[in-house]
Amino acid sequence: GAVVSQHPSRVICKSGTSVKIECRSLDFQATTMFWYRQFPKKSLMLMATSNEGSKATYEQGVEKDKFLINHASLTLSTLTVTSAHPEDSSFYICSARRVRTDTQYFGPGTRLTVL
Amino acid sequence: SQQGEEDPQALSIQEGENATMNCSYKTSINNLQWYRQNSGRGLVHLILIRSNEREKHSGRLRVTLDTSKKSSSLLITASRAADTASYFCATVIIMDTGRRALTFGSGTRLQVQP
Repeated sequence: GAVVSQHPSRVICKSGTSVKIECRSLDFQATTMFWYRQFPKKSLMLMATSNEGSKATYEQGVEKDKFLINHASLTLSTLTVTSAHPEDSSFYICSARRVRTDTQYFGPGTRLTVL
Repeated sequence: SQQGEEDPQALSIQEGENATMNCSYKTSINNLQWYRQNSGRGLVHLILIRSNEREKHSGRLRVTLDTSKKSSSLLITASRAADTASYFCATVIIMDTGRRALTFGSGTRLQVQP
């Protein structure tokens, strides 16, 4: 159990367009979901934390107007990269924390390439 | 913010040799976790060691934890070419935002030569 899915796994878009990435906890409820960003050969950096039904909390240096996060249900969070630029190209990984535990389960990641 | 630093940043060994990776962290922890990531892929959870444990084994993996030095090590014995990947330590910390989240060390890129 404890599977997290992400969709799409890979996306290529033109500069200026918006891209939505979905993160779903398939077999458990997650009150908290996390979005990480990873540049090539670098570590994962936490972008934001979202709780179901409330606004996301963004880490320092992350533009909330650029990276829109919606956590509409206990099993779904979305990250929308608005007006994407080539520097937004990265690997985005979501994670879901099971209710009443500290255990985070990770999705397989989404490779975003902005041309 | 990044919780930990890992060394070495990169490690190249021959198949059959042991690989040791070290992680240092900054804050008090309840547990420390190790993850593996193949190039361009998602994370695979390897092992969790609690703060009251000093050593833990799982197959060819051996993890140690020294809370007095705020450090941990991951040993992979009898390495295989398939062990080639990046390895990250991670701990749950309270971020500047007040949120609790898993944060990752800088990672070690392991290359096992066949």
